[in-house]
Amino acid sequence: GDSVTQMEGPVTLSEEAFLTINCTYTATGYPSLFWYVQYPGEGLQLLLKATKADDKGSNKGFEATYRKETTSFHLEKGSVQVSDSAVYFCALRLEYNFNKFYFGSGTKLNVKP
Amino acid sequence: EADIYQTPRYLVIGTGKKITLECSQTMGHDKMYWYQQDPGMELHLIHYSYGVNSTEKGDLSSESTVSRIRTEHFPLTLESARPSHTSQYLCASSEYGGKSSYEQYFGPGTRLTVT
Repeated sequence: GDSVTQMEGPVTLSEEAFLTINCTYTATGYPSLFWYVQYPGEGLQLLLKATKADDKGSNKGFEATYRKETTSFHLEKGSVQVSDSAVYFCALRLEYNFNKFYFGSGTKLNVKP
Repeated sequence: EADIYQTPRYLVIGTGKKITLECSQTMGHDKMYWYQQDPGMELHLIHYSYGVNSTEKGDLSSESTVSRIRTEHFPLTLESARPSHTSQYLCASSEYGGKSSYEQYFGPGTRLTVT
């Protein structure tokens, strides 16, 4: 069935380190893909999105590229900051049942000064 | 910026009490959702609505009920709270239609503790 799988956390990095959080998906057709971020005590906020193959979503120094051939949407950032500490969720919205969303299980990122 | 609101933000209540968690959005979205978020952070869809007078149960069985009398309002009710209901509850909304890029917008959440 349709699903999203993301790497388990927590991920602990030092400030200015390179970040990769892996996300792969299973879905028919061409879903839209999203990364959300959740800061402590808050709801989820959209970080970036991509709607078709080879699209790159970017925001606040974060990037992710929609790779149809590997069914992946890995989140990257070149230099993380302490303020990036949060939980990151990968999600997809189906092409043919576009009111259905699937979320990954979340990856907690801890950035140390 | 998304305008979706949840009240209360925090609630501590005794076993057996009836509670209603409020969710409102000002974006005119037809589709609304309730998620339960466990301590491991995973989201579980418990209810959703396509529009006024439309409600459906989600993927996770829940003893809560919802109603959708107005487009902007989607309250969740627990008739008799139990400690197993202790969790974070997130409300979300999205546009309804064929544009697959429509994302979900989330409220800030209600953290419920049942003692």
